[in-house]
Amino acid sequence: DADVTQTPRNRITKTGKRIMLECSQTKGHDRMYWYRQDPGLGLQLIYYSFDVKDINKGEISDGYSVSRQAQAKFSLSLESAIPNQTALYFCATSDLLNNEQFFGPGTRLTVL
Amino acid sequence: AQSVTQLGSHVSVSEGALVLLRCNYSSSVPPYLFWYVQYPNQGLQLLLKYTTGATLVKGINGFEAEFKKSETSFHLTKPSAHMSDAAEYFCAVRGDTGRRALTFGSGTRLQVQP
Repeated sequence: DADVTQTPRNRITKTGKRIMLECSQTKGHDRMYWYRQDPGLGLQLIYYSFDVKDINKGEISDGYSVSRQAQAKFSLSLESAIPNQTALYFCATSDLLNNEQFFGPGTRLTVL
Repeated sequence: AQSVTQLGSHVSVSEGALVLLRCNYSSSVPPYLFWYVQYPNQGLQLLLKYTTGATLVKGINGFEAEFKKSETSFHLTKPSAHMSDAAEYFCAVRGDTGRRALTFGSGTRLQVQP
């Protein structure tokens, strides 16, 4: 079984719709992250959480919100999706010791 | 703030040739540096990392990288490319903020020609 899972893997939605992307991990890590990947831009950090009560904005948090429901679960929401939020979204985890991040398989989101 | 620059968004080599992917970083504190690989339709997988100690770091699949503080570089190399090495490669630096999140470069797509 994968250590970091993301659902859904693919999603097509329309402008203005609310969308939630979910991430679960079985690695027992405290730290979780949401990134967005666009061609030629690498990965940009949206939000990160160092524990259930510690949530922080990343570089590109506008238009996004998150919820850390438990140590193992970290959800990303788009309250009102817009076409320029079409991208590949990755969840990642890390432990406190070495900062190596472990990535989920990604969610490909298309906003029409 | 920290940053990463990867020179060359696309690199093409012949099978059996040397692979060299360039990465330069900036950080106001001693950096932790990482190379990740992304195969098509997959997430990122760690190739290797530098934290402290030996500056030449060996990773999986025959890749290695050398941390050169004077040049602020962490270039990735492999002596002999294989077709299976075709993928996108990302260099990342651990941040120099109190939160120490990673900052990624924009990626280099490696093509391997037969």
